[in-house]
Amino acid sequence: DVKVTQSSRYLVKRTGEKVFLECVQDMDHENMFWYRQDPGLGLRLIYFSYDVKMKEKGDIPEGYSVSREKKERFSLILESASTNQTSMYLCASSASGQLELSLHFGNGTRLTVT
Amino acid sequence: QKEVEQNSGPLSVPEGAIASLNCTYSDRGSQSFFWYRQYSGKSPELIMSIYSNGDKEDGRFTAQLNKASQYVSLLIRDSQPSDSATYLCAVQTGANNLFFGTGTRLTVIP
Repeated sequence: DVKVTQSSRYLVKRTGEKVFLECVQDMDHENMFWYRQDPGLGLRLIYFSYDVKMKEKGDIPEGYSVSREKKERFSLILESASTNQTSMYLCASSASGQLELSLHFGNGTRLTVT
Repeated sequence: QKEVEQNSGPLSVPEGAIASLNCTYSDRGSQSFFWYRQYSGKSPELIMSIYSNGDKEDGRFTAQLNKASQYVSLLIRDSQPSDSATYLCAVQTGANNLFFGTGTRLTVIP
């Protein structure tokens, strides 16, 4: 079974702090994704990576950056946290070369910025 | 216009009935279609995928795709209380582009 592990289940940070969200997958998947999920807005893609050191912007990259130094690890960075970044953050992975992009999600990190 | 549209619900059905969940999408070039189930407080899990017109059955679940009309649906037969969850429709439009709907909340009443 694919396991996608997010380092924190809950986080509380102050406005202006630099925040790191970590995600690790154990299935040697090429693709990794960061989404945020908000009521009424659904899942929105922040960034994705299809290879080590490669990254692509998603729909809402502003205020975020990512790092993928190793294949199994994909980090989301909030450079200067703001209250509008309070959300549920979901990491996902998938194998490449598939017709169907089937995502495996981590358990999520609920971030509160005060 | 949103890429993927779903009725937010809630949709309530009695136990044993058929639950019908619908989704429309805007990009005619969309290739693959997915249904994810998300229990409250949990992350989404993939339950069905479909990429050809017609029906695809998996146990009590049937996914239906009509590319001409740009809609995809999920039928859940013999609905159980354990099926109560939010169902997310997702549409793949490119190699790495997957758009999600906002989800339909389903409640199965015992």
